[in-house]
Amino acid sequence: DVKVTQSSRYLVKRTGEKVFLECVQDMDHENMFWYRQDPGLGLRLIYFSYDVKMKEKGDIPEGYSVSREKKERFSLILESASTNQTSMYLCASSLQDQGGDWDTQYFGPGTRLTVL
Amino acid sequence: QKEVEQNSGPLSVPEGAIASLNCTYSDRGSQSFFWYRQYSGKSPELIMFIYSNGDKEDGRFTAQLNKASQYVSLLIRDSQPSDSATYLCASNQGGSEKLVFGKGTKLTVNP
Repeated sequence: DVKVTQSSRYLVKRTGEKVFLECVQDMDHENMFWYRQDPGLGLRLIYFSYDVKMKEKGDIPEGYSVSREKKERFSLILESASTNQTSMYLCASSLQDQGGDWDTQYFGPGTRLTVL
Repeated sequence: QKEVEQNSGPLSVPEGAIASLNCTYSDRGSQSFFWYRQYSGKSPELIMFIYSNGDKEDGRFTAQLNKASQYVSLLIRDSQPSDSATYLCASNQGGSEKLVFGKGTKLTVNP
């Protein structure tokens, strides 16, 4: 079974703090994704990585950066946390570019981030 | 902007009934379609994927795809209270690895 883990289930930070969210997958997937999920807005893609050190902006990259130094690990960084970044953050991974069910994304348990 | 549209619900059905969840998508280049289930406070988990026109059955779940109408549906037979969740429809964006998600339909199965 694919396993995607995230470093924290719940996190409380203060405005202006630098925040690191980590995601690790154990299935040798090439693709990794960071989403945020908010009521009424659904899942929104923040960043996508298709290889080590490679990244692509998603729909809402502002205020975020990412790092992928190893294939299994994908980090989301909030350089200066703001209250409007309070959300559920979900990491996912998938195999690369084979179409069909290979596009299936497997999600981690999520991190509920509150910025005060 | 590629979109996946779902009726937000809530959809309420009695236990044992068939629940029907619907989804339309705008990108004709989409090739793969997915249904995820998300319990409150949890992350999405895959129920089914489909990429050929027609029906695909897995236990109590049947996914239906009509590419001409750009329509995907999920039928849940013999609905159980444990099926109460939000169901997310997704399609791959223009054949890429990125998925576009609908906002989800909340299903409640009443005992």
